[in-house]
Amino acid sequence: DTGVSQDPRHKITKRGQNVTFRCDPISEHNRLYWYRQTLGQGPEFLTYFQNEAQLEKSRLLSDRFSAERPKGSFSTLEIQRTEQGDSAMYLCASSLGIAPDTQYFGPGTRLTVL
Amino acid sequence: AQTVTQSQPEMSVQEAETVTLSCTYDTSENNYYLFWYKQPPSRQMILVIRQEAYKQQNATENRFSVNFQKAAKSFSLKISDSQLGDTAMYFCAFMIYGSARQLTFGSGTQLTVLP
Repeated sequence: DTGVSQDPRHKITKRGQNVTFRCDPISEHNRLYWYRQTLGQGPEFLTYFQNEAQLEKSRLLSDRFSAERPKGSFSTLEIQRTEQGDSAMYLCASSLGIAPDTQYFGPGTRLTVL
Repeated sequence: AQTVTQSQPEMSVQEAETVTLSCTYDTSENNYYLFWYKQPPSRQMILVIRQEAYKQQNATENRFSVNFQKAAKSFSLKISDSQLGDTAMYFCAFMIYGSARQLTFGSGTQLTVLP
């Protein structure tokens, strides 16, 4: 079990550019979650997938954000036309899908928008 | 909407002593889980302990235990025999066992264990 991995770990970009992050969940986990964490705060839910289906999206996920999980394995989170307010840690978590359905987190991708 | 409140932004404890971190939550649901996660500096979020709301017995994991008071909607974490490696941000989190099962987190408590 290699745990949840995320790539890249850090991303610095200029305002207006597009960025894409990748998450590889624990192999047998069918649920995958994205959260955003700003400095000094707890993570906030963005969206989740069950297998390849994106089943819920938070109001935090504006039209500039899109997430995919094409084959029910890895997932990508893309932010288009980045803004300075998008600067945050983006966390991915996965779970098995059965009670208690504990979520296991990856190391996160820290995004800085200049 | 569910909310989780951690009223202690920072705490410190001497090595080998015991410390308790507080957490309260608000929900009208009955089927839910509560978690404590720890996030060491520049490292990933790690599960410390979880509690099923339907269980009356408080969960324990080695040096970590919880005091779950369902009526008061309180879920505190006790760390016994504190170690330097316990220094981290601790987040209390709540999950309704429904379709999405997303976690709702508190704002965290920064715990520093002093040598």
